Amino acid sequence: EIVLTQSPGTLSLSPGETATLSCRASQSISSNYLAWYQQKPGQAPRLLIYGASSRATGIPDRFSGSGSGTDFTLTISRVAPEDFAVYYCQQYDNSPLTFGGGTKVEIK
Amino acid sequence: QEHLVESGGGVVQPGRSLRLSCAASGFTFRSHAMHWVRQAPGKGLEWVAVISYDDNEYYADSVQGRFTISRDNSKNTLYLQMNSLRAEDTAVYSCAKGGGYSHTYPFDFWGQGTLVTVSS
Repeated sequence: EIVLTQSPGTLSLSPGETATLSCRASQSISSNYLAWYQQKPGQAPRLLIYGASSRATGIPDRFSGSGSGTDFTLTISRVAPEDFAVYYCQQYDNSPLTFGGGTKVEIK
Repeated sequence: QEHLVESGGGVVQPGRSLRLSCAASGFTFRSHAMHWVRQAPGKGLEWVAVISYDDNEYYADSVQGRFTISRDNSKNTLYLQMNSLRAEDTAVYSCAKGGGYSHTYPFDFWGQGTLVTVSS
C-alpha cells in the first residue's frame, strides 16, 4: 500500500499570501497518478489537479501542482477567501487507492 | 449535468448488513469506473472500493471480504453491500465517478454522501 503523508497539518495564511502544501509518498507513483482535492465543510470534495500537474476543468490558474516520483506539491498563489478549506492528495496508481491525511488551510 | 445521489444509510447494529445505492445521471454511466469513499466524523477521506466499466473490483484491506461493490448499468446505479458491520465502519459513504474506465483515473465528480452509523 502506498502511504501518502501530507504536511503541514494546518497552514494559517492571510488572503493574498501563497500556500505551499506537500504530499510525500512511501514509494514512487508511476505515471504521476497523483491528484489533489479541495473539501469545504459540508461539501463533497472537488478535483483540483490530476496527473500531478494538470488542472481540472474550471479550476483557477492560481492552483498549480508539481512534483514526481515520491514528492508532490500543491501551490495556491494569492490565496482567495474561498480557498480556505481542507486539501487532500490521492494516488490512483495502485490498488488500494490511498489519500493523504489532509492539510487544512485556515485564515490567519 | 452530472448527478450522483446516494441512499440507504442509517443506523445499524454491529454484525448486521446494509446496502447502499448511488443513482447516477448526466453522463454515460456504463463507460466509467465508479468508487465508494468514506469519511468518518471529523476525519479524512478513505477509499473503500472501485468497480471498473467491465466489472473488475478492488477493495480496501479494511473492507475486503465484508463489502461488495456492484453496478447495474441498465439502471445507472452503483451499489455497496456491507456485511458484518463494525463500529469503525461508521462514516459518510460517498460514491465518486472515475474519470475513465478503470481505477487509474482521478475522481472527477462526487456525490454528497449518506451517513452509516454502526451502533448497538
